[in-house]
Amino acid sequence: NAGVTQTPKFRILKIGQSMTLQCAQDMNHNYMYWYRQDPGMGLKLIYYSVGAGITDKGEVPNGYNVSRSTTEDFPLRLELAAPSQTSVYFCASREGNTIYFGEGSWLTVV
Amino acid sequence: QQPVQSPQAVILREGEDAVINCSSSKALYSVHWYRQKHGEAPVFLMILLKGGEQKGHEKISASFNEKKQQSSLYLTASQLSYSGTYFCGTDIASYKYIFGTGTRLKVLA
Repeated sequence: NAGVTQTPKFRILKIGQSMTLQCAQDMNHNYMYWYRQDPGMGLKLIYYSVGAGITDKGEVPNGYNVSRSTTEDFPLRLELAAPSQTSVYFCASREGNTIYFGEGSWLTVV
Repeated sequence: QQPVQSPQAVILREGEDAVINCSSSKALYSVHWYRQKHGEAPVFLMILLKGGEQKGHEKISASFNEKKQQSSLYLTASQLSYSGTYFCGTDIASYKYIFGTGTRLKVLA
């Protein structure tokens, strides 16, 4: 059982570069989420999706974009990376009251 | 809108009990509680549903206050493995799920 899979696990970006964090789930869940967690801090909601083709902003959406063309995939796009985006990114999916997390993607912007 | 947790940090000796609070400006209809170890994803501990029903860990329980704007997590007879950061999580709109500010807990031998 793969669950929620995030790639890459680690990445270093230069300021101004762009990249996509991939998130895939094989549980056919409608609800998916992206969070970021800065060192020593809590998890902040970036974007979420309630189904294919439907996305909405979370608490900290600036500097990010998402798409949800299929139920399985929920990629997070960083445009023009900034040092403030150095963080750990967690993708999650949800069924009812149960939330499943990916293992996280560590991103450093230098 | 982010739920505020208190205390921010707590240190215990093994066997002691702890209470962690999660306060919201609006009524909480259900609250999840998680423990996160450094470098790992949050691990689900329990859920407190709007009717007060609980599902989860046997040595951990939770409750709402009268107005359901605060949930409290009760850790009984703490063990070294209880160390970590605790988060509450809740929906602030339909399936818009956010986390509280977090409480760091350290259990000493």
